[in-house]
Amino acid sequence: SQKIEQNSEALNIQEGKTATLTCNYTNYSPAYLQWYRQDPGRGPVFLLLIRENEKEKRKERLKVTFDTTLKQSLFHITASQPADSATYLCAIDSGGYQKVTFGTGTKLQVIP
Amino acid sequence: EAGVAQSPRYKIIEKRQSVAFWCNPISGHATLYWYQQILGQGPKLLIQFQNNGVVDDSQLPKDRFSAERLKGVDSTLKIQPAKLEDSAVYLCASSPLGRTANTEAFFGQGTRLTVV
Repeated sequence: SQKIEQNSEALNIQEGKTATLTCNYTNYSPAYLQWYRQDPGRGPVFLLLIRENEKEKRKERLKVTFDTTLKQSLFHITASQPADSATYLCAIDSGGYQKVTFGTGTKLQVIP
Repeated sequence: EAGVAQSPRYKIIEKRQSVAFWCNPISGHATLYWYQQILGQGPKLLIQFQNNGVVDDSQLPKDRFSAERLKGVDSTLKIQPAKLEDSAVYLCASSPLGRTANTEAFFGQGTRLTVV
């Protein structure tokens, strides 16, 4: 069966360190993989999209990697700040008219 | 640019009652999505519209849920009758293009439904 797995346990890191979040998938052929941020009581906000033929994508302090062999995407936040504390969702887009499917998200807490 | 607007923000109903949610997507966005997000889980797609037409409703419980998108703009999602397990946040999202590259979705704040 199809699965998107994100670490269900909260990730606590010290301010200034690099946070690394993992998204593993099974039985998908993603054309794109997206990362969203969700704050309590709000809808997800799009952060980054990476295509199947891209290894890495960067945007300011954010970096996403995509390994289709390992079936894994890693999401990095460098020089983390307390304002980065939120839940981060990965989403798989298999392209065409197939639906975008979200993982369960990982809660990140950056400690001052 | 105005974002995706949803109303109401919160709703509490008794089981077996009916409820409706409204969504106004970003102007010009062709694709509209309704997602259900149960506490502690990721959003689950209920229905996806491309302009007026339904592209995917495979996870919509059609015996009790219905949705329509009028004139390819606003949309309503209805539940009738509601069950306790329908308690969730209902998120509306839109994206500018159809199923092509750069398919990021813009989400509204959601409607938190509690069924008692």
